Amino acid sequence: EVQVLESGGGLVQPGGSLRLSCAASGFAFSTYDMSWVRQAPGRGLEWVSVIRGSGGSTYYADSVKGRFTISKDNSKNTLYLQMNSLRVDDTAVYYCTKGAWLDAWGPGTTVTVS
Amino acid sequence: DIQMTQSPSSLSASVGDRITITCRASQGIGNGLGWYQQKPGKAPKRLIYAASSLESGVPSRFSGSGSGTEFTLTISSLQPADFATYYCLQHNSFPFTFGQGTKLDIK
Repeated sequence: EVQVLESGGGLVQPGGSLRLSCAASGFAFSTYDMSWVRQAPGRGLEWVSVIRGSGGSTYYADSVKGRFTISKDNSKNTLYLQMNSLRVDDTAVYYCTKGAWLDAWGPGTTVTVS
Repeated sequence: DIQMTQSPSSLSASVGDRITITCRASQGIGNGLGWYQQKPGKAPKRLIYAASSLESGVPSRFSGSGSGTEFTLTISSLQPADFATYYCLQHNSFPFTFGQGTKLDIK
């Protein structure tokens, strides 16, 4: 069974840093693109970043470019999102998603910047 | 960036109704579109991929159509479990973009 499970969310002050993790199981993690998507309270979904299966290429939304870094450790089947220079408007539930077409999602982890 | 315009933003309907939600892309995206259902406090669940392919396990009352710039999600006969928020997602090119969402509630 495909599973992805996020962790690492919490409360952080503006300007601070946080690293999210996503543990994956049930599929060949190294061969799949992985993305982060977020949802601010009461708002819609916003795609944040993607990393190719091999980890060689990454893409970011303009809203996080230069502040967030996506990475993956294929030996640990884990996806990461390093978030620096956090702002109040980064407050959201962050979802880890599998595949180029975002076919499976984790339950999310909440990041509060205040 | 490709903009996705989803309509309507909200919809009231009754059990048994047929409803349609539309997404328009600001430029052609081929069939690079998915539809997601989200219930309060839960992660989105994919219903449709590649514009018209039904996700395994999703009831056949859900269907998707379209290509290029205009896409629709149709629910043929609403069931109580279908009252939720629906989003389209274009995954044809980066940055991926979502529609604004359609909140479907019971009339």
